[in-house]
Amino acid sequence: LAKTTQPISMDSYEGQEVNITCSHNNIATNDYITWYQQFPSQGPRFIIQGYKTKVTNEVASLFIPADRKSSTLSLPRVSLSDTAVYYCLVGDHAGGTSYGKLTFGQGTILTVHP
Amino acid sequence: DTGVSQDPRHKITKRGQNVTFRCDPISEHNRLYWYRQTLGQGPEFLTYFQNEAQLEKSRLLSDRFSAERPKGSFSTLEIQRTEQGDSAMYLCASSLAFGLAGEDEQYFGPGTRLTVT
Repeated sequence: LAKTTQPISMDSYEGQEVNITCSHNNIATNDYITWYQQFPSQGPRFIIQGYKTKVTNEVASLFIPADRKSSTLSLPRVSLSDTAVYYCLVGDHAGGTSYGKLTFGQGTILTVHP
Repeated sequence: DTGVSQDPRHKITKRGQNVTFRCDPISEHNRLYWYRQTLGQGPEFLTYFQNEAQLEKSRLLSDRFSAERPKGSFSTLEIQRTEQGDSAMYLCASSLAFGLAGEDEQYFGPGTRLTVT
């Protein structure tokens, strides 16, 4: 599975846009890019998934350049409740030997200040 | 509430005791996963079920660990002869996946926090 690298921590303020970049230089052709969010004492929660270009849903956008060696999670106008750990995952969610199991790194601790 | 539930939420046990955790996935989800998470780390995959069949086990899952999903619905994870190193959050997740195609969004439960004293 492709290894991911993301910043250990980030700080932001309420109302700002936050961009968290993840590097995955050895991403494979079949790999999808997925982001999860985790609050303390809770299980991770799916945020967004993409394969290439841009994906947007009601909570975030995911930007993936043409070479797919990195991706950026964009959170518009963050609030205090967005303080959490954000995980970037890369893997073959389409089946195969991984059977969709997730490989988490250490994640990025995002702290939103008032 | 139709989310993934886990029981108990917290368990404190003495070293050497056996513990069992239960996970109730979202109904009709065919895939069920167990993960373990220690403080400051991301979750680590332990094992995976497709319906009632256990299809993959991590090397992290020593022979003291056993998991079942007898009827393809709820699952149990048992740890025998617990050790202090087993102290962690045990997370269960489920998903609905069809063959080889498409995304596999996993829904996680709140976890069971195990403390071995």
